[in-house]
Amino acid sequence: GDSVTQMEGPVTLSEEAFLTINCTYTATGYPSLFWYVQYPGEGLQLLLKATKADDKGSNKGFEATYRKETTSFHLEKGSVQVSDSAVYFCALGDTGANSKLTFGKGITLSVRP
Amino acid sequence: KAGVTQTPRYLIKTRGQQVTLSCSPISGHRSVSWYQQTPGQGLQFLFEYFSETQRNKGNFPGRFSGRQFSNSRSEMNVSTLELGDSALYLCASSPGTVGIYEQYFGPGTRLTVT
Repeated sequence: GDSVTQMEGPVTLSEEAFLTINCTYTATGYPSLFWYVQYPGEGLQLLLKATKADDKGSNKGFEATYRKETTSFHLEKGSVQVSDSAVYFCALGDTGANSKLTFGKGITLSVRP
Repeated sequence: KAGVTQTPRYLIKTRGQQVTLSCSPISGHRSVSWYQQTPGQGLQFLFEYFSETQRNKGNFPGRFSGRQFSNSRSEMNVSTLELGDSALYLCASSPGTVGIYEQYFGPGTRLTVT
């Protein structure tokens, strides 16, 4: 079945450091890929998405490129801020006519001033 | 547009009881999905409803059920609660149209079973 693997956490960075969070997936067909972010005590917010190979999703300085050849969708940001501290989830969408998402385990990012 | 709303935000129940959670999707969205989030298992898909019909179902026991109304609002019911049902239950809505797969989540209902 479909699955998503995220790198182990937690991750602690200093402000303005470069961020990479690895995500690889296993799926049949060509699923849409997503990054969601969860701040303490809140639900998930869609951060960015990519719907086909080589698509680059971007939002709020975060970027991720859909790599079919390596089945990856790594999240990057050039300069993190304290306000980026949150839990980040990689997810893939079902390829059928439904809205099911399969999530990775999530990784906690802490950014110190 | 108003976002996805969930009620109640917090619930405390006793083992053996049943509980009903409610979700109102974004206006115009016809698909509502439910997820269970726990520290051990992470985010797990429960089921999806589209136009009042269950379109997809995760691997949960029959104690977990749901329904969707004609206005797209959805409810989720858990009967005979167990301690392991303590979790954050998240509802997500989407247009439900093929080719548009992103989902928008509500703040969740925190269920504690004692």
